[in-house]
Amino acid sequence: DGGITQSPKYLFRKEGQNVTLSCEQNLNHDAMYWYRQDPGQGLRLIYYSQIVNDFQKGDIAEGYSVSREKKESFPLTVTSAQKNPTAFYLCASSTVNRAGYTFGSGTRLTVV
Amino acid sequence: GESVGLHLPTLSVQEGDNSIINCAYSNSASDYFIWYKQESGKGPQFIIDIRSNMDKRQGQRVTVLLNKTVKHLSLQIAATQPGDSAVYFCAESLGGSQGNLIFGKGTKLSVKP
Repeated sequence: DGGITQSPKYLFRKEGQNVTLSCEQNLNHDAMYWYRQDPGQGLRLIYYSQIVNDFQKGDIAEGYSVSREKKESFPLTVTSAQKNPTAFYLCASSTVNRAGYTFGSGTRLTVV
Repeated sequence: GESVGLHLPTLSVQEGDNSIINCAYSNSASDYFIWYKQESGKGPQFIIDIRSNMDKRQGQRVTVLLNKTVKHLSLQIAATQPGDSAVYFCAESLGGSQGNLIFGKGTKLSVKP
């Protein structure tokens, strides 16, 4: 079955640490996205990538970094520069014409 | 569970009734619209989409209406069931190279048995 997999489901980070969230898809989609979701708010775009080895900043990229070395994978690193990282993170992928996104099941990141 | 529904507009309906969830979109140039359903602790799931050359599209128990004049989108759910309880998001897109989806804040639907 084709799909998009995020791991881990829950992640705890200490102050000052970097953590990396995994996103893998086997849908052969060219484009991949990372969103942040906070309670009572819509999805906010962090980074997106339309093709391997290329990515663009979204609306809230500060404190985050990404890589796109393989078509199937788009990991997100939450750096220590992100002052308020506690949130629900969603990865998505789409075909190049962006006719609808397929979402992963999310990673809940909590700072402890 | 995931508190994505906290402080969102809430629609409460009786099981078996029809539900109407509304969305105002921002860009008159948007030409593609999608409704997603998000259950607690899960990622959003595609429900139905519509392109700007249409004003109505029907799926299984769901209908999307598009009014471009007032930039308004609605999702109608027939015979609402407890399993329909979730947060519903609309999303708009300009298509082409500017086609990243822009999501609304969502509406929480609660179905009373």
